[in-house]
Amino acid sequence: AQSVAQPEDQVNVAEGNPLTVKCTYSVSGNPYLFWYVQYPNRGLQFLLKYITGDNLVKGSYGFEAEFNKSQTSFHLKKPSALVSDSALYFCAVSPPGYGGATNKLIFGTGTLLAVQP
Amino acid sequence: DAGVTQSPTHLIKTRGQQVTLRCSPKSGHDTVSWYQQALGQGPQFIFQYYEEEERQRGNFPDRFSGHQFPNYSSELNVNALLLGDSALYLCASSARQAFYNEQFFGPGTRLTVL
Repeated sequence: AQSVAQPEDQVNVAEGNPLTVKCTYSVSGNPYLFWYVQYPNRGLQFLLKYITGDNLVKGSYGFEAEFNKSQTSFHLKKPSALVSDSALYFCAVSPPGYGGATNKLIFGTGTLLAVQP
Repeated sequence: DAGVTQSPTHLIKTRGQQVTLRCSPKSGHDTVSWYQQALGQGPQFIFQYYEEEERQRGNFPDRFSGHQFPNYSSELNVNALLLGDSALYLCASSARQAFYNEQFFGPGTRLTVL
């Protein structure tokens, strides 16, 4: 079965420190990979995506993610965390084939990032 | 650009009732997907509409149905509501021809079933 795993329910980091939010996936073929962020009582905001090419992708607000095909991982990173980064982060996968990146998204359960001042 | 809009923002229904949620896609988008996000969970794919037809469907019962209009807007209908249908319902839009572009999400409709 196709699935996305976010092993940490919560990640705590001090402001100014680097952060990593982990994501692994189980999808056959070459899926498209995404990170979205959700603030309280809001919808999902797109952060970044991996389609093909360079394994390190850069996105909004200083976030980046590293794609590792052999480990089927797509970890989200930021060199220096801000208090305003505190939110719920979702990793998502779009299975290959129908519709490309417009295909259905399979989401992880989310990781709450808490950045302490 | 107004982005993806959804209405209503909140809705309270009782068990057995029927509900209709509405979504207007981002300008230039022709594909609409619906997701259910239960409390503390990630969004789950319900179905996707393109060219006024349901193109993909997730693991949801037939009580969940939808429609897409010629202007690309969409409705999600849920019949015979159950307590477990209480969730945030998210609409996402995309452009089918933009094969590599991400989906844009609306703010969601919070449905509470009593």
